[in-house]
Amino acid sequence: NAGVTQTPKFQVLKTGQSMTLQCAQDMNHEYMSWYRQDPGMGLRLIHYSVGAGITDQGEVPNGYNVSRSTTEDFPLRLLSAAPSQTSVYFCASSDAPGQNTEAFFGQGTRLTVV
Amino acid sequence: AQSVTQLGSHVSVSEGALVLLRCNYSSSVPPYLFWYVQYPNQGLQLLLKYTSAATLVKGINGFEAEFKKSETSFHLTKPSAHMSDAAEYFCAVSGGYNKLIFGAGTRLAVHP
Repeated sequence: NAGVTQTPKFQVLKTGQSMTLQCAQDMNHEYMSWYRQDPGMGLRLIHYSVGAGITDQGEVPNGYNVSRSTTEDFPLRLLSAAPSQTSVYFCASSDAPGQNTEAFFGQGTRLTVV
Repeated sequence: AQSVTQLGSHVSVSEGALVLLRCNYSSSVPPYLFWYVQYPNQGLQLLLKYTSAATLVKGINGFEAEFKKSETSFHLTKPSAHMSDAAEYFCAVSGGYNKLIFGAGTRLAVHP
């Protein structure tokens, strides 16, 4: 009963390094998204996808890239990490396109950029 | 544009006391509203959601929330707090599809 799986759970990067945060879901959900959580700011949407091959920007997309080649996977890429990207990152997925659909969240990736 | 404001970043109650976490929303269309809970070092879990079927919504773990359009509020309550309720709680409004707009969160502490 995996649900939404994120890897790694923890990561430390040096400024300028690149990395990919992985997200996989086994519920055959069409919709997937990435959020970042910062103290006092709640969660903010980075990028989202409404299906394989379709992605769009959220509220805070700068410095991040995404792609969606399969229904199951939605990786988030940091091309050149900056200290401002230190945060906890959550991937989420949901099923039907309605606005009242529950989103299922992964356990999060805690990223520190030094 | 939709937005959510949670009043009080920290709330502390005694075990057995009433829990009240406040959420006000702004939306130009009829809103779809959610409460999520985050336990330490965990992801977010849905507590309950408002979908216009009923103004009083019951969720898991004894929580409920009442939608009040006149006050643009969706406050979360629980009659009697348990130690296990200590967590961070997020109110959110749907921005379409699976896009959620979150409040800043309220951290609930429960004291014996």
